Amino acid sequence: EIVLTQSPGTLSLSPGERATLSCRASQSVSSNYLAWYQQKPGQAPRLLIYGVSSRATGIPDRFSGSGSGTDFTLTISGLEPEDFAVYYCQQYGRSPETFGQGTKLEIK
Amino acid sequence: EVQLLDSGGGLVQPGGSLRLSCAASGFTFSRDAMSWVRQAPGKGLEWVSSLSAGGGSSYYADSVKGRFTISRDNSKNTLYLQMNRLRAEDTAVYYCAKVGVWLPAYFEYWGQGTLVTVSS
Repeated sequence: EIVLTQSPGTLSLSPGERATLSCRASQSVSSNYLAWYQQKPGQAPRLLIYGVSSRATGIPDRFSGSGSGTDFTLTISGLEPEDFAVYYCQQYGRSPETFGQGTKLEIK
Repeated sequence: EVQLLDSGGGLVQPGGSLRLSCAASGFTFSRDAMSWVRQAPGKGLEWVSSLSAGGGSSYYADSVKGRFTISRDNSKNTLYLQMNRLRAEDTAVYYCAKVGVWLPAYFEYWGQGTLVTVSS
């Protein structure tokens, strides 16, 4: 199975700053089938990005995804207070679907 | 508005059984594949199982294969997960999810989750 490694484990930033989250795959993700999710404490995950860079319904344009092959990035430009949460990447290019271990974005 | 309502979780002894349900609304349930994803306490996300729109094709993670069965009743807009021979490591919040693309899948909408605790 494809192993996804996210970095950093924790990212401490202030509102208004830019966040850059990384997701590295153990092998190439076919067709760039990579998604990103946001999860807040006590809540279900929410889909942010699919197909590397396509925003899900209702997701603000401060969230953007990029990358290809084995290296992918989620960028949040101009952090809002509600953006502080845990973020997971997920590949769906090869079965089984796998998730990264998560990056916690916390307020500095 | 898409809504997924998970239920059926609880405390069960090792070796026991439990059936989870997910009631769907706000979309044409019979046209969409569905999945279950779980999250152990304080841990990350793990895909568990997926089922095609018509119910004819099902897929399982190796960790649950042979013990869990996914099914659906399209007349009731409901997804199920029958969990048998439960183990302590199955303790988790279980989320049903509407699949975005199939197959493999990303997960477009999620239920609120239902907690399964396997303990004596």
